[in-house]
Amino acid sequence: SAVISQKPSRDICQRGTSLTIQCQVDSQVTMMFWYRQQPGQSLTLIATANQGSEATYESGFVIDKFPISRPNLTFSTLTVSNMSPEDSSIYLCSVEGGLGETQYFGPGTRLLVL
Amino acid sequence: ILNVEQSPQSLHVQEGDSTNFTCSFPSSNFYALHWYRWETAKSPEALFVMTLNGDEKKKGRISATLNTKEGYSYLYIKGSQPEDSATYLCAFAGSARQLTFGSGTQLTVLP
Repeated sequence: SAVISQKPSRDICQRGTSLTIQCQVDSQVTMMFWYRQQPGQSLTLIATANQGSEATYESGFVIDKFPISRPNLTFSTLTVSNMSPEDSSIYLCSVEGGLGETQYFGPGTRLLVL
Repeated sequence: ILNVEQSPQSLHVQEGDSTNFTCSFPSSNFYALHWYRWETAKSPEALFVMTLNGDEKKKGRISATLNTKEGYSYLYIKGSQPEDSATYLCAFAGSARQLTFGSGTQLTVLP
């Protein structure tokens, strides 16, 4: 299993500003994933972050809005840029346990944009 | 776009009641079906990963079944307790191994 921490756990931000969310894993992992859950919606994959390469974004998500860094095998950041109230969500990072195994999630960052 | 649906959306039961939820998913390109329990302010906790048609898994009072041919999975909780209150998520993993989540079933167990 993997233990994952996220910072901040929650934040309230003004529209037009940016927030960077940090994700730290207690072991080295190849792939890290960033999800969000908007109110009343499913957990939706934003992007997959591999160390040493550009993140791969899912349809509907772009690098300019959600830049991701992956400087090493235990850490990643997701920035929510130029925020609007529609960005109010829970943002989670996760790592894969292995082929056919579960994904392990961080506790999430609860973001409210006013 | 993959469609993973969960029902009901929310559920209130009395302590001691048994309950079950449904997850429906595409029956093609199936790799695995995951169940998670997500309590407020905590990390989603993995319950089961199911890969074989007809699979049944059990963890304490919680069990799950899988039918990949018709594209559904059931999660059962026997003798619900207040600490079972959480959102239960299922996630479909296709050949790409990426997870597509349902919107969850929010369970409240009343003492």
